Amino acid sequence: DADVTQTPRNRITKTGKRIMLECSQTKGHDRMYWYRQDPGLGLRLIYYSFDVKDINKGEISDGYSVSRQAQAKFSLSLESAIPNQTALYFCATSVGAGVTDTQYFGPGTRLTVL
Amino acid sequence: AQSVTQLGSHVSVSEGALVLLRCNYSSSVPPYLFWYVQYPNQGLQLLLKYTSAATLVKGINGFEAEFKKSETSFHLTKPSAHMSDAAEYFCAVRGGNDYKLSFGAGTTVTVRA
Repeated sequence: DADVTQTPRNRITKTGKRIMLECSQTKGHDRMYWYRQDPGLGLRLIYYSFDVKDINKGEISDGYSVSRQAQAKFSLSLESAIPNQTALYFCATSVGAGVTDTQYFGPGTRLTVL
Repeated sequence: AQSVTQLGSHVSVSEGALVLLRCNYSSSVPPYLFWYVQYPNQGLQLLLKYTSAATLVKGINGFEAEFKKSETSFHLTKPSAHMSDAAEYFCAVRGGNDYKLSFGAGTTVTVRA
């Protein structure tokens, strides 16, 4: 499995602050994803990147931005955090073509915006 | 576009009883289907995936799922629940060369001693 790490694991911040969540992976996977998890809603895709120069919006990208600094690193930023961005955030990576593609998830970052 | 619906947000079973989690999908192309498990305070772990090779898919920890195209379903089962199966389970779908996953809302399983 991919070794996907996320920092920080927990963060409490205040409304209006800028926050960056970081994701790193050590298996050389090209594709990386950011999701948020809310109770009763499952996981929803925020942004995804198929390589360093290919970044795409997911279904709920408003209020978020991302940076793919290298193949192994994919950061999610909240430019001005608001309380409804309180959620559990997951980074995922995947490798493979077509049928073999499978996503592997990091441990998550619990973000609370006061 | 693809989507999944998980029927039942909470399931409670006795230890040793059958676990059945329901997932129905919608897809405009032949789907790839996945079940993930999330233990408390952990990330998602892949249980199994359907990739059209076989309709009955066996996964880790004794779980299996059956793909039924006529019913657009991919239900997850385990014959005998163990206390360690207490977790949240997510069904997910993607289609063809679209690598984005669409997740269901999740089903939380509690196991009674």
